Amino acid sequence: EAQVTQNPRYLITVTGKKLTVTCSQNMNHEYMSWYRQDPGLGLRQIYYSMNVEVTDKGDVPEGYKVSRKEKRNFPLILESPSPNQTSLYFCASRDHLGAGANVLTFGAGSRLTVL
Amino acid sequence: AQSVTQLGSHVSVSEGALVLLRCNYSSSVPPYLFWYVQYPNQGLQLLLKYTSAATLVKGINGFEAEFKKSETSFHLTKPSAHMSDAAEYFCAVSGRQAGTALIFGKGTTLSVSS
Repeated sequence: EAQVTQNPRYLITVTGKKLTVTCSQNMNHEYMSWYRQDPGLGLRQIYYSMNVEVTDKGDVPEGYKVSRKEKRNFPLILESPSPNQTSLYFCASRDHLGAGANVLTFGAGSRLTVL
Repeated sequence: AQSVTQLGSHVSVSEGALVLLRCNYSSSVPPYLFWYVQYPNQGLQLLLKYTSAATLVKGINGFEAEFKKSETSFHLTKPSAHMSDAAEYFCAVSGRQAGTALIFGKGTTLSVSS
């Protein structure tokens, strides 16, 4: 089944304790992206990657890091989480070219609470 | 630059009533337009998309949307609401070049009462 898999789905942590949210897709998509969803603000893009070793900032990159060492994986790293990073996070991927271009496939989401 | 405005953060309808969720876009280039749905505790899934073929686009679960260039609108409709339609709906816009950024609206929560 074509899918984007995120882990963990739920996480409660404390301020300053580094954490990583993993994202993996099995569709051979070049493009991957991270979003955060907050009430009343919709989805805002954190980082995206056009291909392996190519990443760029989205609209709200502060406090986050990403890496793209393999095509299928795109982890989101919070080096020193703060309470304002409490949010629902989504990973998504899509074809870079062709008929599927611009249609995102989303993971199920990771709900993060930073105390 | 592109942007999306969804009018109404909450819409409530009775089961069997018409569903109308409003979306207006701004784009300096011919756009692609999308509606995504998010059911509770799930990720977003594509309902339908407009990519410059027919202006009336039919999606899954009986939803459809009409692209109106003169009104810069892409409103989502369903003739008869079902309880299972209760969810959050997001309108999104992108340019037509493959791989361009997808810009989301802030979402509209649809409630359906019996």
